[in-house]
Amino acid sequence: DVKVTQSSRYLVKRTGEKVFLECVQDMDHENMFWYRQDPGLGLRLIYFSYDVKMKEKGDIPEGYSVSREKKERFSLILESASTNQTSMYLCASSLSFNSNQPQHFGDGTRLSIL
Amino acid sequence: SQQGEEDPQALSIQEGENATMNCSYKTSINNLQWYRQNSGRGLVHLILIRSNEREKHSGRLRVTLDTSKKSSSLLITASRAADTASYFCVSGGYNKLIFGAGTRLAVHP
Repeated sequence: DVKVTQSSRYLVKRTGEKVFLECVQDMDHENMFWYRQDPGLGLRLIYFSYDVKMKEKGDIPEGYSVSREKKERFSLILESASTNQTSMYLCASSLSFNSNQPQHFGDGTRLSIL
Repeated sequence: SQQGEEDPQALSIQEGENATMNCSYKTSINNLQWYRQNSGRGLVHLILIRSNEREKHSGRLRVTLDTSKKSSSLLITASRAADTASYFCVSGGYNKLIFGAGTRLAVHP
């Protein structure tokens, strides 16, 4: 079974802090994704990566950056946290960059910015 | 918005009843996927139906797809309290998944 692990379930940070969210997958998947989930809005794609050191912007990349130095790890970075970035953040991975492949999700990080 | 839309937004039923959730989408698709999310957890993939398929079954799940109407439905038969969760319809275009806002299903014992 694929396991996607997010480093924190809950995180509280202050406005202006630099925040790192970590995600690790154990199935040698090529592709990894970061989403945020807000009530009534569903999941929105922030960034994705289809290979080590490769990244592509999703629908809402502003205020975020990502890092993929190793195949199994994909980090989301909030350069200067703001209150409107309070949200549930979900990491996912898939075997290939093909929409016919299901995505496997971590349990999410609920981030609060005070 | 390019998001799919689920209907109803919330559904409350008794254990043993069937639950039907509908989904509409806006763009051309390669496939339509359904995911489930328990409260406070990540999404779990349930079933994928390709654009050239009309119906697919998996255990107590039955999914239909009508590409002419850009719509899909998920039927859960003989529901159980453990089916309580949010269910998301996800339209798969070329290299992109578009998530709907979900249907919250509550199954009461």
